[in-house]
Formats: sequence, structure tokens, C-alpha cells
Amino acid sequence: AQRVTQPEKLLSVFKGAPVELKCNYSYSGSPELFWYVQYSRQRLQLLLRHISRESIKGFTADLNKGETSFHLKKPFAQEEDSAMYYCALSFSGGYQKVTFGTGTKLQVIP
Amino acid sequence: DTGVSQNPRHKITKRGQNVTFRCDPISEHNRLYWYRQTLGQGPEFLTYFQNEAQLEKSRLLSDRFSAERPKGSFSTLEIQRTEQGDSAMYLCASSLTPGQGATQPQHFGDGTRLSIL
Repeated sequence: AQRVTQPEKLLSVFKGAPVELKCNYSYSGSPELFWYVQYSRQRLQLLLRHISRESIKGFTADLNKGETSFHLKKPFAQEEDSAMYYCALSFSGGYQKVTFGTGTKLQVIP
Repeated sequence: DTGVSQNPRHKITKRGQNVTFRCDPISEHNRLYWYRQTLGQGPEFLTYFQNEAQLEKSRLLSDRFSAERPKGSFSTLEIQRTEQGDSAMYLCASSLTPGQGATQPQHFGDGTRLSIL
């Protein structure tokens, strides 16, 4: 069965410091990986997906199949980045059941 | 388009009562998903529809739970004989059908928070 692990429940960083939110997964096939974000009083929304290979709001994530990781990174944290971040996995091939991790709360300290 | 809409936002009921939630997806989305989220956890998949067909149900979905999407538009999730453990946020999401094998992003609603007294 597929599983997504986010080891940190809370990550506090100072404004301007680098951010790395960890995500590891277990899945025997070829997965699609996502990061979803939930800002305070807003709904869950997609931040980025590995197949797009893009940077969104300064965040990037690289799929490392050898380490089965999909860590989210940003070189300089901003206060508006404070939110709940969920790593998620789906089977490739369009089968869309998504498995979410337990989430990491990012707190950016001014 | 206002995105995915869920009603009600909050539902408080006594144990043993039946409850029904409604989800209106983004109009052009033919896939619709239900998730449950409890405190400190990520969303857990319950079931999903392709148009009016229910394609998969999680083992989390006991016999007391039933979901429908009769005309391939809005969906309802009913819980019969509610129990304390049913207290959670119930999230609905919708997406386009994947093309060329790539998963389509899911768009979430605000959720319905269920509290069982």
C-alpha cells in the first residue's frame, strides 16, 4: 500500500532563512507526487506537482526515486509562507486516488 | 465560477442521527472525490465518482456511509446512525478526467465539519 510520511508536525524558521519540508513515500510503482498548501482560513489548494518541474511562489520540489523523497524547498522564507503543507501521492496513469501525508505546519517568524 | 461548494459548513447532531452533506463541484469537472480529515491528520480518501459512476470506495467507508452523484453533477454523502468517531471534517474535491495518463489537480471545497454530541 502507498504511504506518505511527513516527519515534522511543526517547522519554525526565521524570515529569510531557507526552508525544507520533508516528505518520504512508499510505493512500488511509478508515483505522481504533489504538494498541497492550506493557508489560514482558506481551503486546501495545489501548490506544485513533480511532473510540472516548476517553481511556485519560490518553492521547488524534486522527486528523488532512489531516496523515495519529494522534499519541498524555498531558499528564503517569507511570512506569507506560513501555512499547513501536505505532501500527497497518486498512482501515475491517471488513477486519481490521492494519499496524503499528515502535514507539516510551517511557521515563519518575522 | 466559485469553485467547489459544500453545504452545510458545520453540522452538529446527536449520536444515532442521520446526516447528509452536499457537494457542488466545479461545473466542467466530471470527477468528484470525498475525503475525511480528523485533527492532526491529512485528508483520507473515502470515495470518488466519474460522472455518476462511483468507481472506488475506501475500506474506511463503512456500511453506514453512502455517497451518490445521481446526475453526474452534485453529490451527497450520507452517514446513518452517526457515532462519536464520525466527528471530522468532510472534504469534497473535483477534477477533470486525466488526459494522457497524467493526474489532474484536485480542487477542494471548504469542507463540512461534523460534530457528534
